[in-house]
Amino acid sequence: NAGVMQNPRHLVRRRGQEARLRCSPMKGHSHVYWYRQLPEEGLKFMVYLQKENIIDESGMPKERFSAEFPKEGPSILRIQQVVRGDSAAYFCASSLEQGEGGYTFGSGTRLTVV
Amino acid sequence: GESVGLHLPTLSVQEGDNSIINCAYSNSASDYFIWYKQESGKGPQFIIDIRSNMDKRQGQRVTVLLNKTVKHLSLQIAATQPGDSAVYFCAENKNSGGSNYKLTFGKGTLLTVNP
Repeated sequence: NAGVMQNPRHLVRRRGQEARLRCSPMKGHSHVYWYRQLPEEGLKFMVYLQKENIIDESGMPKERFSAEFPKEGPSILRIQQVVRGDSAAYFCASSLEQGEGGYTFGSGTRLTVV
Repeated sequence: GESVGLHLPTLSVQEGDNSIINCAYSNSASDYFIWYKQESGKGPQFIIDIRSNMDKRQGQRVTVLLNKTVKHLSLQIAATQPGDSAVYFCAENKNSGGSNYKLTFGKGTLLTVNP
């Protein structure tokens, strides 16, 4: 079991471009969670998805950010028209059931907006 | 004007000593707590968890203590090793009800182990 896989590990985008971050959950897991980490801060919840459904997106900025978890393929976190303030590490976790607690996180995608 | 940056609390210990990392949580309704270790450039790694019906739980070289009266959590690492150097985060969760999937993380403590 390869664990939660995220790619790319590092992503550099110019202001105004789009960023697409991918997360493949652990095998058999159908619950995915995205968190964002700013420098020297803890992780902050963004969105919780199940296959083909967004369950809770209360932590997502209202504009430019979207997430999906299609029936086939990885979960995608999409940031349109990136700004410098979007620079952060984005982590994904997965679970077999909702609310299992101590999730396994992926290694993250470090987004740098220049 | 001059800006003041945010700095992590830090703890520096000698190899072989015991480490104690503290965390104050805010939500009195939280009933599940987790300690994570994050090494530079990596994702958070689960260390140990504890539910609110317990006040102590032990793992391999680690012990978590929970004091619900003062909303305080601590992580004790015995015989600290250089490989323990990392940022440690506590996270809380309300494990019942509709939002039992949402973890709230503290800011973290940087542990440095000196050889």
